[in-house]
Amino acid sequence: GAGVSQSPRYKVAKRGQDVALRCDPISGHVSLFWYQQALGQGPEFLTYFQNEAQLDKSGLPSDRFFAERPEGSVSTLKIQRTQQEDSAVYLCASSPTTGYDRDEQFFGPGTRLTVL
Amino acid sequence: GQQLNQSPQSMFIQEGEDVSMNCTSSSIFNTWLWYKQDPGEGPVLLIALYKAGELTSNGRLTAQFGITRKDSFLNISASIPSDVGIYFCAAYTSGTYKYIFGTGTRLKVLA
Repeated sequence: GAGVSQSPRYKVAKRGQDVALRCDPISGHVSLFWYQQALGQGPEFLTYFQNEAQLDKSGLPSDRFFAERPEGSVSTLKIQRTQQEDSAVYLCASSPTTGYDRDEQFFGPGTRLTVL
Repeated sequence: GQQLNQSPQSMFIQEGEDVSMNCTSSSIFNTWLWYKQDPGEGPVLLIALYKAGELTSNGRLTAQFGITRKDSFLNISASIPSDVGIYFCAAYTSGTYKYIFGTGTRLKVLA
């Protein structure tokens, strides 16, 4: 497709369930980012991939959060044992090169996760 | 986490009016960006600013990078109903990839 796509668009989980959120970046984009956007807030950085390498995971809130991009294209964000505070929109973004200076990040529509 | 201070939080304006919003930080950044987010969608880049003092326009939108490198503002002239949405500022430091976003300004335009 022409843009970044994410699936599912909506996910409802019971507290304690594991969830997996998928991101399909723009074809050929080197860099991929995950953000968490709480209700009424701006996006907050979670993690960064350059091709298949996860270069920064400093924004992941706990060890229940895990992200991978094994072949340098599609990425999955996994949340284990979900908690109510995990409820948020999870945004994926990709950029053409390294993600540094003047390399625009293109955002997907997000996955809205609700944990009951 | 760290977020930029954005104001106003929300505004209701009449169609045709001009709109102004700003974004401030206690830290210096080398690049400022303005995004618009529609309901159920991801943010879309409106304007990017790379130099202190820079003034850039994109149609009815004008944005400036503050000379202290700690702030930026966005103006929308002659607002129309499709300007409705949430506007976010974002900033990063040269040599990094980590965007810091503002808290958002929710704009509603009354026809």
